[in-house]
Amino acid sequence: DQQVKQNSPSLSVQEGRISILNCDYTNSMFDYFLWYKKYPAEGPTFLISISSIKDKNEDGRFTVFLNKSAKHLSLHIVPSQPGDSAVYFCAANDAGTYKYIFGTGTRLKVLA
Amino acid sequence: EPEVTQTPSHQVTQMGQEVILRCVPISNHLYFYWYRQILGQKVEFLVSFYNNEISEKSEIFDDQFSVERPDGSNFTLKIRSTKLEDSAMYFCASSDLRGTYYGYTFGSGTRLTVV
Repeated sequence: DQQVKQNSPSLSVQEGRISILNCDYTNSMFDYFLWYKKYPAEGPTFLISISSIKDKNEDGRFTVFLNKSAKHLSLHIVPSQPGDSAVYFCAANDAGTYKYIFGTGTRLKVLA
Repeated sequence: EPEVTQTPSHQVTQMGQEVILRCVPISNHLYFYWYRQILGQKVEFLVSFYNNEISEKSEIFDDQFSVERPDGSNFTLKIRSTKLEDSAMYFCASSDLRGTYYGYTFGSGTRLTVV
């Protein structure tokens, strides 16, 4: 059951450039999406969210874009910093449940 | 910054033994969750808990699993008879709403190793 997919297991980006992490989903009932960052030996940390009534949400260096017709969301980090190196998970929820479905994660490496 | 605390950070147990994983959620949060991540795989939902009862559980959360909020601060996950495939990182999380606006706050996890 791969309702949320992150097809790139890893991504390397030069410091200062843009990082774009992608996420696809299959369930059209999903109406809320979150991005989490995870460092080794730590729990996931909430980064940014977007609801299905929006197509963009911005918080500092982080912007999430949602394309409902394509069932696709992306996280943009600009400018990327070495401290951004972590595993990034997207997660999706539909209003009828309490649970989030997580993607498999993308390991981002920002090179100094 | 308020945080979710999990203990122990690492637990090794023999197959068939019972384990209890402990969590102290953020004090004013009302919704509590357990997720797990098997090494190299995605984070998977186990159970959500609200108003002293399970609000939702996944197919992973079978009769071997139970959750409890024994007092006003702790939230525990019990695995009655552990199996090798229960080896994973177990994350507790809490939220003030249903996690739809600001997500959950996760703990650092308990690494459970079943041998």
